[in-house]
Amino acid sequence: GAGVSQSPSNKVTEKGKDVELRCDPISGHTALYWYRQRLGQGLEFLIYFQGNSAPDKSGLPSDRFSAERTGESVSTLTIQRTQQEDSAVYLCASSLWDSRYNEQFFGPGTRLTVL
Amino acid sequence: GQNIDQPTEMTATEGAIVQINCTYQTSGFNGLFWYQQHAGEAPTFLSYNVLDGLEEKGRFSSFLSRSKGYSYLLLKELQMKDSASYLCAVRDLGRGSTLGRLYFGRGTQLTVWP
Repeated sequence: GAGVSQSPSNKVTEKGKDVELRCDPISGHTALYWYRQRLGQGLEFLIYFQGNSAPDKSGLPSDRFSAERTGESVSTLTIQRTQQEDSAVYLCASSLWDSRYNEQFFGPGTRLTVL
Repeated sequence: GQNIDQPTEMTATEGAIVQINCTYQTSGFNGLFWYQQHAGEAPTFLSYNVLDGLEEKGRFSSFLSRSKGYSYLLLKELQMKDSASYLCAVRDLGRGSTLGRLYFGRGTQLTVWP
């Protein structure tokens, strides 16, 4: 079946503008994760959703960042008043929640450039 | 953070064996993952260890020692296509972290030469 998809693949915005990034998880995956990867860095956890439980927002770097998920489907990550330091690749992943290790399947990412 | 350390870069030749080490510090260890990431692509899952010992999967093996806070990824019979970044990640349920949260190292960039 289809993998995790993300849109847009690339986004260039001006400092101070708001951006919305979209993630479509694999059908049937109850868990969904957002990560940020700056150039040459590892993945930085942002937030994850699991079913109807309250999301784990502990990785969001500031209150300019927020995310929503509709049921067990699409999620959007919103960054308000973008700053140059927000430039990074934003990766989304999804997983089943009943496997032994909850293997995360990643999407291709959205490359965000803030000018 | 969880102080996940791995070498920044490694090089090896085709057909050789390479070992990529990862050390970590956690307060509630609950599993270690290895991911492979080719340049410009998404990470893909390679292996998972939660108990001490070696897990073998084809040309790739992963080892874990929980008492030492240490893992390695062993790649045998290297091929050019193995040139990629290898990411070590841990699940740490200490400090109030939840089951879904993974902490990633910066990755080891492996270059395989012909």
